[in-house]
Amino acid sequence: QVQLVESGGDVVQPGGSLRLSCAASGFTFSGYGMHWVRQAPGKGLEWVVFIRYDGSDKYYADSVKGRFNISRDNSNNTLSLQMNSLRAEDTAVYFCAKEGSSRQPFDFWGQGTLVTVSS
Amino acid sequence: DIQMTQSPSTLSASVGDRVTITCRASQSINIWLAWYQQKPGKAPKLLISKASSLESGVPSRFSGSGSGTEFTLTISSLQPDDFATYYCQQYNSYSKTFGQGTKLEIK
Repeated sequence: QVQLVESGGDVVQPGGSLRLSCAASGFTFSGYGMHWVRQAPGKGLEWVVFIRYDGSDKYYADSVKGRFNISRDNSNNTLSLQMNSLRAEDTAVYFCAKEGSSRQPFDFWGQGTLVTVSS
Repeated sequence: DIQMTQSPSTLSASVGDRVTITCRASQSINIWLAWYQQKPGKAPKLLISKASSLESGVPSRFSGSGSGTEFTLTISSLQPDDFATYYCQQYNSYSKTFGQGTKLEIK
């Protein structure tokens, strides 16, 4: 069965950096686009970034452009999110999500990892 | 970017009620609209894709309709397990924006 397991969430000071990972299993990771979505405490879902199945294209939300970098390692079935210049408003649970095939939305999600930006 | 607006933000209803949630896009997204259900502390669950296609395993009391800029999610007869927050999402563009959510509460 499909599994997505995020890790790396932590408490970090404003201006700091953090790297999140998402370990994928149960499907052919190299065949699907992947996303990060975040949810601030008590708030709604915010799409953050997308990476194409082969890593050839990446698209970022304006709120994180220039600060966050998405990457993937298809040999190790791992998705990563490098977050730099973190701000208080980046505090959220970060979910990785798998795109479905043939122009489908997000059919599987991880359980999320909490990032807290605070001094 | 395409903006998604859901209404209402909160909906109070009883078991057995029929409820409808509306989602409007700031520009046409054809049928590229999904609905998700989220319960506290859990990841969202995909209910409907392509505006009206029910995902496998989702009860038939859920239905979706619409195209272009106006969409609806209808639950025909609310069950206790349906009280949750619902989000629409457009996936017409590379930035897959969500609506702000509709919290379905027990009256």
